[in-house]
Amino acid sequence: GNSVTQMEGPVTLSEEAFLTINCTYTATGYPSLFWYVQYPGEGLQLLLKATKADDKGSNKGFEATYRKETTSFHLEKGSVQVSDSAVYFCALSGPGNQFYFGTGTSLTVIP
Amino acid sequence: SAVISQKPSRDICQRGTSLTIQCQVDSQVTMMFWYRQQPGQSLTLIATANQGSEATYESGFVIDKFPISRPNLTFSTLTVSNMSPEDSSIYLCSVVGRGVRTDTQYFGPGTRLTVL
Repeated sequence: GNSVTQMEGPVTLSEEAFLTINCTYTATGYPSLFWYVQYPGEGLQLLLKATKADDKGSNKGFEATYRKETTSFHLEKGSVQVSDSAVYFCALSGPGNQFYFGTGTSLTVIP
Repeated sequence: SAVISQKPSRDICQRGTSLTIQCQVDSQVTMMFWYRQQPGQSLTLIATANQGSEATYESGFVIDKFPISRPNLTFSTLTVSNMSPEDSSIYLCSVVGRGVRTDTQYFGPGTRLTVL
């Protein structure tokens, strides 16, 4: 079946530190992979996506590469800011556009 | 991407009452979904709202508790019936399809429900 396993949090980093949030998946077929971000008190926003193996999604300094060989889609950012403090969800789309979400990783960036 | 609005944005309700949440999209979409996000948790799919027919519910969710309507391609409602404190959650609608990227879900801002 389809599932997403995401690195547990919470994660606390100092401003300008390097960020990695691990995400691995199990899927039938060739799903699209996503990272969503949820800022405090808000809904989910699409951060980036990749639709096939070796694709790299990027947005706002965040990047993730679709690695079929390791079934991974790790989120990275070279230098985090206080404004990046949020909860990050990894997700994949399965048959019928049904989405499977990870458990979410809370990130706090301190000045 | 689509612009999705939800009403109300938040509410505090008494046990035993019902609340209807509205989801409005600014373009026609083929699929609409309703999710629940309990405090500190990930998203759980409640149902797929089907236009012109009954919603498709996920395991653990029933129509009597969460009736859903979708009268057209841009609007849906979710009712949380006979509420208890365990229903305190964020309720989110999302959309996929016509007018937006067909393999991506876009989410509304959510409705924060507290049941006393």
